[in-house]
Amino acid sequence: EEQLVQSGAEVKKAGESLKISCKGSGYSFSTYWIAWVRQMPGKGLEWMGMIYPGDSDTRYSPSFQGQVTLSADKSISTAYLQWSSLKASDTAMYYCARHRAIFAVMSIDFWGQGTLVTVSS
Amino acid sequence: QSVLTQPPSVSAAPGQKVTISCSGSSSNIGRSFVSWYQQLPGTGPKLLIYDNSKRPSGIPDRFSGSKSGTSATLGITGLQTGDEAGYYCGTWDASLSAVVFGGGTKLTVL
Repeated sequence: EEQLVQSGAEVKKAGESLKISCKGSGYSFSTYWIAWVRQMPGKGLEWMGMIYPGDSDTRYSPSFQGQVTLSADKSISTAYLQWSSLKASDTAMYYCARHRAIFAVMSIDFWGQGTLVTVSS
Repeated sequence: QSVLTQPPSVSAAPGQKVTISCSGSSSNIGRSFVSWYQQLPGTGPKLLIYDNSKRPSGIPDRFSGSKSGTSATLGITGLQTGDEAGYYCGTWDASLSAVVFGGGTKLTVL
């Protein structure tokens, strides 16, 4: 079964760093782009960016460029989302998801279970 | 404010049909495929429609998608209480070089 399994919920303080993970299984992890999507409490979906685990090519949404870092380790089929200094406004559910296709033919065919990040000020 | 515009909510009775609109521009829907996602309460999103109108394996034909110009529409027939969820459209925006989503539509099956 193809799936993405994310790391568990995190409770942090503003100013702290954080790295959450997303492990793929059941498919060739290196050959599909992985997206990260933010969902703030009671709000909609926001695409943060994507990474191609095969060569770590990375594209960021302009809204998130410089705010987070995407990385991947294809040897262990895992993608990461990282913050160097969290803010209270980073409190949200974060999903990793597999792009079935990208750019003008974009779609996302399955999603991880989500990682809830809570940041207190 | 989302790049793609969806109605915040729609409602209909069980067994009826509902449509959800998604309006964009020439830099996104006008030049890219649209996909639709269902998010049941407390769960992650699920792909319903891709490439404007195609259904992944396992998605019933009660769900349909279409696109015309800079707008797209999701249709759901034979509504069931289990269809109560948030629905999101998504596409690629060439000006932003980013994926954009609509603000989401909450479907209530009365």
